[in-house]
Amino acid sequence: GAVVSQHPSWVICKSGTSVKIECRSLDFQATTMFWYRQFPKQSLMLMATSNEGSKATYEQGVEKDKFLINHASLTLSTLTVTSAHPEDSSFYICSARVEGNNYGYTFGSGTRLTVV
Amino acid sequence: QKEVEQDPGPLSVPEGAIVSLNCTYSNSAFQYFMWYRQYSRKGPELLMYTYSSGNKEDGRFTAQVDKSSKYISLFIRDSQPSDSATYLCAMGTGGGNKLTFGTGTQLKVEL
Repeated sequence: GAVVSQHPSWVICKSGTSVKIECRSLDFQATTMFWYRQFPKQSLMLMATSNEGSKATYEQGVEKDKFLINHASLTLSTLTVTSAHPEDSSFYICSARVEGNNYGYTFGSGTRLTVV
Repeated sequence: QKEVEQDPGPLSVPEGAIVSLNCTYSNSAFQYFMWYRQYSRKGPELLMYTYSSGNKEDGRFTAQVDKSSKYISLFIRDSQPSDSATYLCAMGTGGGNKLTFGTGTQLKVEL
């Protein structure tokens, strides 16, 4: 149980375009989802906490207008990278928490974004 | 000073060796401690978890937490080439709050 599906697994886009990444909890409902960014050989950096039905909470230094997060249902959160630039190229990973389980942070398989 | 410190490695060991991975932290509010394994270009998968201080064993893996020293460890016995991955420690205060990760230690188990 507790599977998180992330799509797409990789994407290449041109500078200036927008890219949407989806994160779905397949067999459980996730009130809260987390979005991370990971650079090569570095740890996961939390970008924002996504809450179903309300605005996301962004970490300090993360541009909310650039990284749009929508958590419209209990099983789906999306991250849209707007007006992407080469420096946005990174590995983006989502995570969803199983309610009532303090260890139940399940991760998606990640999305490799390359902006050319 | 980072909230969670972890040696990035890389750590290279022969097959069958005992591997010791460690993290230190500064936030005394952390109560939940986890170890994740991440293969290249994949999302992290939960390996072990412990609450507060103590030990926990699961097969070849043992997790230890020493809250008095703010130090956690993961031991891997009889290491296998398939254990080659990056190991991330993660900590949380509970209640659905965010996790704080270490930088990850890259482990390579050689034949």
